[in-house]
Amino acid sequence: QKEVEQNSGPLSVPEGAIASLNCTYSDRGSQSFFWYRQYSGKSPELIMSIYSNGDKEDGRFTAQLNKASQYVSLLIRDSQPSDSATYLCAVRGIAGGTSYGKLTFGQGTILTVHP
Amino acid sequence: DAGVTQSPTHLIKTRGQQVTLRCSPKSGHDTVSWYQQALGQGPQFIFQYYEEEERQRGNFPDRFSGHQFPNYSSELNVNALLLGDSALYLCASSGRGVVAKNIQYFGAGTRLSVL
Repeated sequence: QKEVEQNSGPLSVPEGAIASLNCTYSDRGSQSFFWYRQYSGKSPELIMSIYSNGDKEDGRFTAQLNKASQYVSLLIRDSQPSDSATYLCAVRGIAGGTSYGKLTFGQGTILTVHP
Repeated sequence: DAGVTQSPTHLIKTRGQQVTLRCSPKSGHDTVSWYQQALGQGPQFIFQYYEEEERQRGNFPDRFSGHQFPNYSSELNVNALLLGDSALYLCASSGRGVVAKNIQYFGAGTRLSVL
């Protein structure tokens, strides 16, 4: 089992729709969760971080965390063509633990928003 | 405020050669992490430097080594290059304090091609 798994893509949604991206992780000790956006040929850009169970909203983005189910998701409302990119889920371990310093990434989900 | 800067942007080497990649962290940041991203995959953690010491290491062979300087900049060295080392090498920095240390910001990366 991979440490961090993302829903297989690519995902294609029409402009204005809601895009739903999902991620599961295997380490129950994970404490911090991140979504990065990566445009083709560019570096990852942080768009959301979440540390507690529940929802966190920032503009058109909502991150959802369920530690009991070891599941984190990202919803993008009113999707725009400029949202077309690869979305990377990343997980960080508990402070003091062996996985604290590093981010463990999923393989990424390619999102295409078509006009 | 300069972000994370990496050099060079692109590099072409042949098998068996050695390469050095450089990274300057974001202003105010003191921790540098290095990642390798193969095409179509998420970044893989190589190691992290803090206070000029390697604090954590991923599953990479000893051919991969690094250094952090007193000004917090860092180098990644790869010896005896293999074809499989061809990838985008990403540097990420994080700041001081519990909250800031949790967030990693990425540079634009160095694209290494091994022929």
